[in-house]
Amino acid sequence: GAVVSQHPSWVICKSGTSVKIECRSLDFQATTMFWYRQFPKQSLMLMATSNEGSKATYEQGVEKDKFLINHASLTLSTLTVTSAHPEDSSFYICSASHGGQTWGDYGYTFGSGTRLTVV
Amino acid sequence: SQQGEEDPQALSIQEGENATMNCSYKTSINNLQWYRQNSGRGLVHLILIRSNEREKHSGRLRVTLDTSKKSSSLLITASRAADTASYFCATSEFYSGAGSYQLTFGKGTKLSVIP
Repeated sequence: GAVVSQHPSWVICKSGTSVKIECRSLDFQATTMFWYRQFPKQSLMLMATSNEGSKATYEQGVEKDKFLINHASLTLSTLTVTSAHPEDSSFYICSASHGGQTWGDYGYTFGSGTRLTVV
Repeated sequence: SQQGEEDPQALSIQEGENATMNCSYKTSINNLQWYRQNSGRGLVHLILIRSNEREKHSGRLRVTLDTSKKSSSLLITASRAADTASYFCATSEFYSGAGSYQLTFGKGTKLSVIP
């Protein structure tokens, strides 16, 4: 089955530093990947849609300069949290769809998530 | 903005009992999906029901969709302790701005199955 690998699974960083999170589709090509943020005991909030070879589309209220997304290949998307602050501490999850032409009709595969703690 | 709203927010049952979770949404959808999340982990896709379908089964899971009421339900039969997790419904809609289908998640139901 379709597998999405997300690394690291957890990271602790100092305030002011940058952290990069990788999301890889292991056995399929993902033209589009999605990045979500989840606060404790809350639902997933879509941050941005990442399209291979083009700029990401960010949701309203998400700072483009703070959350840099790069989707340089069909199997890799990265999220870089720049100049991280304690309020950026959260659970970040990526996902990709592995459907066909009408892939909106298929389920999505999620990475295992990254727990970011900024101290 | 959030689309799906799950009900109840938390559910505690004995092993062997059935668990029913409900989801309501606001706009027209392409399909509705249910996901499971174990604590601190990613999401696992459980089942997808298209807007022209009314009921779908997968193992111990049964999903219904009522587009006239904009609601869906997930039934887990003969629950097991391993079913303990949070369950989210998500609606799939096409967003022209991003040029892709996107999922919008509800707040989730936290299910606890007591052995």
